[in-house]
Amino acid sequence: AQSVSQHNHHVILSEAASLELGCNYSYGGTVNLFWYVQYPGQHLQLLLKYFSGDPLVKGIKGFEAEFIKSKFSFNLRKPSVQWSDTAEYFCAVRFGNTDKLIFGTGTRLQVFP
Amino acid sequence: NAGVTQTPKFQVLKTGQSMTLQCAQDMNHEYMSWYRQDPGMGLRLIHYSVGAGITDQGEVPNGYNVSRSTTEDFPLRLLSAAPSQTSVYFCASSITGTSSYEQYFGPGTRLTVT
Repeated sequence: AQSVSQHNHHVILSEAASLELGCNYSYGGTVNLFWYVQYPGQHLQLLLKYFSGDPLVKGIKGFEAEFIKSKFSFNLRKPSVQWSDTAEYFCAVRFGNTDKLIFGTGTRLQVFP
Repeated sequence: NAGVTQTPKFQVLKTGQSMTLQCAQDMNHEYMSWYRQDPGMGLRLIHYSVGAGITDQGEVPNGYNVSRSTTEDFPLRLLSAAPSQTSVYFCASSITGTSSYEQYFGPGTRLTVT
């Protein structure tokens, strides 16, 4: 079955630390990949997306993600986090030509000053 | 544009009651969907629609009905609420197409079933 896994459930960092959140999916075909962020009390917003081309994609607020097809992964990175990055982060995948977008279970990030 | 709107923001139901969660978008998006968000389980797709008159089931459709009579509206119906349906519900919409599928989310409805 097609699935999306986020193995880091809760990450705690100090400001200026580097961040990498893992996302893996199970599917051998074409995928479209997304990272969404949900700030406390707010609805989900798109951080970045990958459809094709350069596997390193840059998003808003200094975030980037790398698509590694051989590892079925789409990890999110940021070189230096800020307190305002405290939020929940969701990886989402559109598998093949389906219309469904499947989300991972999310990673809660807490950044302390 | 108002984007995606949802009503109500909060709702408390007793077991067995029915209700409809409203969702509307003014972006002329073809694709609309409903998710529920539960702690530790992320967002799970309930139902989705690729256009007026077309709906399909997602990952967790049981206990929920949907219809899509217009492009703008996509209501979610709970026919007989159960405590297991206590959750935060998000509606989303997007343009379909090869380079999009970016979903725009509504503010959510927090539902408690007692």
